[in-house]
Amino acid sequence: DAKTTQPPSMDCAEGRAANLPCNHSTISGNEYVYWYRQIHSQGPQYIIHGLKNNETNEMASLIITEDRKSSTLILPHATLRDTAVYYCIVRVVSGYALNFGKGTSLLVTP
Amino acid sequence: EAGVAQSPRYKIIEKRQSVAFWCNPISGHATLYWYQQILGQGPKLLIQFQNNGVVDDSQLPKDRFSAERLKGVDSTLKIQPAKLEDSAVYLCASSLGQNNSPLHFGNGTRLTVT
Repeated sequence: DAKTTQPPSMDCAEGRAANLPCNHSTISGNEYVYWYRQIHSQGPQYIIHGLKNNETNEMASLIITEDRKSSTLILPHATLRDTAVYYCIVRVVSGYALNFGKGTSLLVTP
Repeated sequence: EAGVAQSPRYKIIEKRQSVAFWCNPISGHATLYWYQQILGQGPKLLIQFQNNGVVDDSQLPKDRFSAERLKGVDSTLKIQPAKLEDSAVYLCASSLGQNNSPLHFGNGTRLTVT
């Protein structure tokens, strides 16, 4: 699976949009981009995934660049409960397991 | 739907003792995973089952760790004997097993080895 690079930490003010970047410059055509988050003392929680097109669900939006070498997870109106570690993971289309890196620790402040 | 259930939530043992963790996946999920998460790091895959067969156990320290998934539903992960460096959170996850089906995680068992 391709390697991902994320900033170790970010801050965001409550109510503002949180934009979490991820670099996956070695991604290949058969690999999806997945985002998970892990709130303290809980297991990782699935957020969203995409292949080429931008995706949106009730939790977040995923913007993937045209060359697929980077992506951004957008939390449109961050709340204190969004404070967590966010993992960007590249996963082979036919694969099963997820390989986690260190992620980005997002702190949402009042 | 009910989530992935794990027990116990916490366990403290002395080194060289044995310990077992239990996982009940989401109903109908064919694939089950055990991950180890050391403090400050992302989860690391230990073993993956498809129904009751092992798909990948390449990162399982087989001299001390074992896992089984009898009848293709519940699973247990055992450590015998435990070492200090086994202190971690052990996470169980399950998925439908189809291409790109998301993994759903339990809240884990926090193991402390003293």
